[in-house]
Formats: sequence, structure tokens, C-alpha cells
Amino acid sequence: AAGVIQSPRHLIKEKRETATLKCYPIPRHDTVYWYQQGPGQDPQFLISFYEKMQSDKGSIPDRFSAQQFSDYHSELNMSSLELGDSALYFCASNRGRDSPLHFGNGTRLTVT
Amino acid sequence: LAKTTQPISMDSYEGQEVNITCSHNNIATNDYITWYQQFPSQGPRFIIQGYKTKVTNEVASLFIPADRKSSTLSLPRVSLSDTAVYYCLVATDGYNKLIFGAGTRLAVHP
Repeated sequence: AAGVIQSPRHLIKEKRETATLKCYPIPRHDTVYWYQQGPGQDPQFLISFYEKMQSDKGSIPDRFSAQQFSDYHSELNMSSLELGDSALYFCASNRGRDSPLHFGNGTRLTVT
Repeated sequence: LAKTTQPISMDSYEGQEVNITCSHNNIATNDYITWYQQFPSQGPRFIIQGYKTKVTNEVASLFIPADRKSSTLSLPRVSLSDTAVYYCLVATDGYNKLIFGAGTRLAVHP
């Protein structure tokens, strides 16, 4: 079965640079979620999209933005990167309220 | 904000049954309870979901009392490969804002 695909798997950037993370949800899933997970921490909700419209926001810095495109893939754009942005970034998708989240394998971002 | 509360860590031995309880005092009437498992550097993986009473699948059981203010994930006969972090989630902040609380770090010993 198709899973959530994230790219790239690994990304190394320098401070103050920009990064773009991509997520391809499972076909026919209508909601996409982004999470950030720092070392030894629990996943933190960043933002979600329902049917290509922003649905909810969590603790997402103003330096980050995200969107969902007409083909339902989503991108998380991160600017003015800081050392503290180094983390695993997960994308998840589901279809309909109450349905379980399906997570991708994540993008590991390292800021040096 | 409503949230879930779980034990920070648990230890067990191979072959034992492990029960992890999650408190969700402010769960809404229509909310389901969903449990996930996460291994290091991997995305969380769905284990089981329930609304009330008992749900069982091939890997776990979920027990939910009548007041639904808590739930218990039961893992029968754990193995070393069950060492992971376990999270319970309820949609207390909205169905499109699913918040992870502090999960339970389960260590299974030989």
C-alpha cells in the first residue's frame, strides 16, 4: 500500500539559510499534518491542512510557512534557519475525522 | 488546554504483559482514543483505536472504562522489539490539531 512520502530524507543547512521540505500524502487523504521532533522530545504539532486550506496552527515559528498544492502535496518552508531548528520533521495524513494518522519517515534537518 | 497524561517510562521483561494507562479527563463525547508506537528516528505508527469498552487487534488491546476519562493499552507477551515510545492521542484541540503529549518510554529487557 502507498505510504506518506517525504523528501529529502536528510538535509544539512547553515544558519540563516532556507530549507524546503516536501510531503506527498497517501492518495485520497484529505488532511496533512506537519510535526517537529527535537532530539529526545515528543512530536510537536506545527500546522495542518484540510482540502488544501490551512486548518490549524500549533507552535510554528513565524519564520516557517507551509502550503498544500492542488495535487495535495505539501511543502514546509523554513527561512532564517537557526541551530535550534535541527530536528526530525514528520508529515502525516489521514482521511476523515477520527481516522488514524499515517506518518512518513521524516526529514532530518541539521543546521550548522 | 486539555491534554493526555501517561507514565514517563516503564520497564518490563520479555514474555510479560504490559499495560500503559493514559489519562484524558476532558475527552469530548465524540472523541476517539488512538495509540501510536514510535521507534527512534521513525515516524509514529498506528497501533489501535477505540471509542468505548474494549478493542482488540492482532498486536494489542485497548480498554476504555465507561466514563472514558482514561484508557489502557495492553501489549501481550512483549518482546525486545516492543521497546519504543507509546503515545495516546485524543482530538481535544480539534480533529486537525492532534497534539502529542509526553509519551511512555517502554524498555523491554531480556
